[in-house]
Amino acid sequence: KAGVTQTPRYLIKTRGQQVTLSCSPISGHRSVSWYQQTPGQGLQFLFEYFSETQRNKGNFPGRFSGRQFSNSRSEMNVSTLELGDSALYLCASSLGGASHEQYFGPGTRLTVT
Amino acid sequence: AQRVTQPEKLLSVFKGAPVELKCNYSYSGSPELFWYVQYSRQRLQLLLRHISRESIKGFTADLNKGETSFHLKKPFAQEEDSAMYYCALSGMFSGGYNKLIFGAGTRLAVHP
Repeated sequence: KAGVTQTPRYLIKTRGQQVTLSCSPISGHRSVSWYQQTPGQGLQFLFEYFSETQRNKGNFPGRFSGRQFSNSRSEMNVSTLELGDSALYLCASSLGGASHEQYFGPGTRLTVT
Repeated sequence: AQRVTQPEKLLSVFKGAPVELKCNYSYSGSPELFWYVQYSRQRLQLLLRHISRESIKGFTADLNKGETSFHLKKPFAQEEDSAMYYCALSGMFSGGYNKLIFGAGTRLAVHP
């Protein structure tokens, strides 16, 4: 079965702009989580969606938001981009519970200039 | 607050040598612990989880609640084991839902 896909794979934006990243989970998976990966902070949890509802949220400012559609695809949005938002954004899908394996996508590399 | 500590950024060994990647966690409840691995140019993938008690690619990890550790071990390292390894924690602090707390990662380099 097809893995988790993320689009776009690379993105360059300017400070102050906004960006939308997309994630398509594995078929049948209803949970989608988002993580930010940077050299300084490592992998940090952003939020998780399950059946179109946000179940968990990490410690990120309100400029970071997300949503999930009825087909489980998810998008995350970052408004008013800052240089520090440059990172690899990973999404992961799973069946739903804390003990379930999360399957990661290849990531979207966002560069803010 | 929940935290995962991987004290070594880099572990360098020769082929055939034993490997132990250290992971300590901070969480007062019942933890769910995982090891994820990222090979060069590949996506992050699950290696093993403590509830499975499996041995994957020769790797094992035992949860020690007394020492709050979940060290990853392999008796004889292979060159193809070279990768970035992340220890991750989940549990009821997230309401039982998907929220992984990752350690900083350890790069394992196995030399011929």
